Amino acid sequence: LAKTTQPISMDSYEGQEVNITCSHNNIATNDYITWYQQFPSQGPRFIIQGYKTKVTNEVASLFIPADRKSSTLSLPRVSLSDTAVYYCLFRPMDTGRRALTFGSGTRLQVQP
Amino acid sequence: DTAVSQTPKYLVTQMGNDKSIKCEQNLGHDTMYWYKQDSKKFLKIMFSYNNKELIINETVPNRFSPKSPDKAHLNLHINSLELGDSAVYFCASSPIAKNIQYFGAGTRLSVL
Repeated sequence: LAKTTQPISMDSYEGQEVNITCSHNNIATNDYITWYQQFPSQGPRFIIQGYKTKVTNEVASLFIPADRKSSTLSLPRVSLSDTAVYYCLFRPMDTGRRALTFGSGTRLQVQP
Repeated sequence: DTAVSQTPKYLVTQMGNDKSIKCEQNLGHDTMYWYKQDSKKFLKIMFSYNNKELIINETVPNRFSPKSPDKAHLNLHINSLELGDSAVYFCASSPIAKNIQYFGAGTRLSVL
């Protein structure tokens, strides 16, 4: 099975930029990489999705290198409300039935 | 108007019982999913289903079975509940061939 790694936790202060990386060394060739945000007692919520290079929307940027073995979620100028757990989601190539796999999640704590 | 709704929100039951969790989506999506989130916050896909294909995560015990009466519903049946089944179960849906999933608020299952 593909091994996914994310830092367990990260701390930041309001106004800083936060970068969270997910390693997915055996990602399926034609699938997107998607990032989600989860607050306590809620379901994960879509943040951003990309296939290659860089994608930017109103809340985040996603950087994906050419080999697609990792991806980095970038949150510009975080606020207290960005405190949450962040997950990457992708499809490993070696999963015969093409099951989606979440990363292990990164707990981001933003302090004043 | 909740896009993906699960019932019940909380479920407390005894070992050995059989229980069901219901999920409905009003987004018109073609694919629905069930996930299990354990106490360490790892999210693990259990099933994905559209009207053509059921994809089962091989590690899911056959005590768990999805039932889809129509495209808008995917219920989860669990037979002979065990202590280790205690977790939060999330339902999600997505448009076909997309990884952008919309999650319900979760069902917290406690097996005593």
